Parts: sequence; structure tokens; C-alpha cells
Amino acid sequence: AQSVTQLDSHVSVSEGTPVLLRCNYSSSYSPSLFWYVQHPNKGLQLLLKYTSAATLVKGINGFEAEFKKSETSFHLTKPSAHMSDAAEYFCVVSVLTAGNKLTFGGGTRVLVKP
Amino acid sequence: DAGVTQSPTHLIKTRGQHVTLRCSPISGHKSVSWYQQVLGQGPQFIFQYYEKEERGRGNFPDRFSARQFPNYSSELNVNALLLGDSALYLCASSLGATQDIYEQYFGPGTRLTVT
Repeated sequence: AQSVTQLDSHVSVSEGTPVLLRCNYSSSYSPSLFWYVQHPNKGLQLLLKYTSAATLVKGINGFEAEFKKSETSFHLTKPSAHMSDAAEYFCVVSVLTAGNKLTFGGGTRVLVKP
Repeated sequence: DAGVTQSPTHLIKTRGQHVTLRCSPISGHKSVSWYQQVLGQGPQFIFQYYEKEERGRGNFPDRFSARQFPNYSSELNVNALLLGDSALYLCASSLGATQDIYEQYFGPGTRLTVT
């Protein structure tokens, strides 16, 4: 079975400061990992994905994530938060042998203070 | 280009009723997946259809069913509605069936309220 745990349900940062969203996964097989963002009243949007290539993955809007197999982690970071980054973020795992489904974490809501 | 579209946007139903939700994928996409997102939680996988065949099913009761049409649009049906079925229902489309290769594009969802 595969699962994802997002360690913080809410994160509050000031504009211009770094953002760190933490994610740990559990999987019996080599996983693919994703981060999605959900803005209010908008569809989920893919930020970045890891599929067994480079362990440091760069995504859109200045976000990046590092896959650490030894720690079973896939934390999302951004050097400098912008007001438009306020949204809900989901860490997602997919395992080919588990029916291709995406398994979502519980989400982290990001608040950006001016 | 049009993204994934879902209808209706909002829906209010009474316990015991039946509901049909609709999804139109991006043109050229042959895979459609359905997810349920209860307030305050992450989306949960319900079904995936590819080329009109069911390719995956999540841990949902038989009250939930779906189908995909020749034009690749899809319907999600829920019978005998319960209060716990109140959620945002998301549809996602992709070019192919393999979800870690082909990016999934999500629609804005249908908000279902069961009273």
C-alpha cells in the first residue's frame, strides 16, 4: 500500500521569506511523487513531479522539491514567497503496480502575510 | 484551448436520491479519472477510465459507478445518496492511462451537498 503524510496542515510565512512544505511517503515499490497546488475555486495544478530521474526537481513558479529515499521524504521549497502562493498544496504518490491511482496527502494550507 | 469542464458547478440533493455528474476532457485526452474531495481533506481516487474501459477503482461502495462515452466524456453516478457523500467531485483528464507519465489536468469540480 502507498500513503502520504503532510506534516503541517497550515504554514504561515511572510512575503519574501522561504517556504518549506514537508511530505513523507510510504510505498512498497519505487514511487512517482508529485506536488499539486489548489487555489480557491480553481482546479488542481501540477507544480512538479519526480519519476526516478534527478532527485532535485524544479517546478513552476520557482518551486522545487528534493527526493530523499533514505528519509522517504519529498519536501517542497521556494526561496521567496509571493502573495500569489497563498493556496492549498498537496503531496501525491503514485505506484505503477497499485493501479496507477494518485494517492493524495491531507494538504497544507499556506498563508502569506504582507 | 478549453480545459477540463465539469457540470453542474453546484448541486443540492436529498438523502436517498441519485445524482449524475458530468465531465468533458481536454480534446485529444482519452483517460478520465474521478476523485472525491471532502472538505478539509485531500482528494481520494474513485475511478479511472481509458478508452471507455475501467482501468482503476478506488475504495468506494457499489453505489458509485461511472462510464466513459465514445467521445471520451464521462459520467459519475451515485445512488442512494448519504450525508457523507457531500464533497467536491473532481474530474481529471490525461493523454494516456499511466498516471505517473501523463500529466493529469483537473477540472474545477462539482460541489455536491446532500441534505
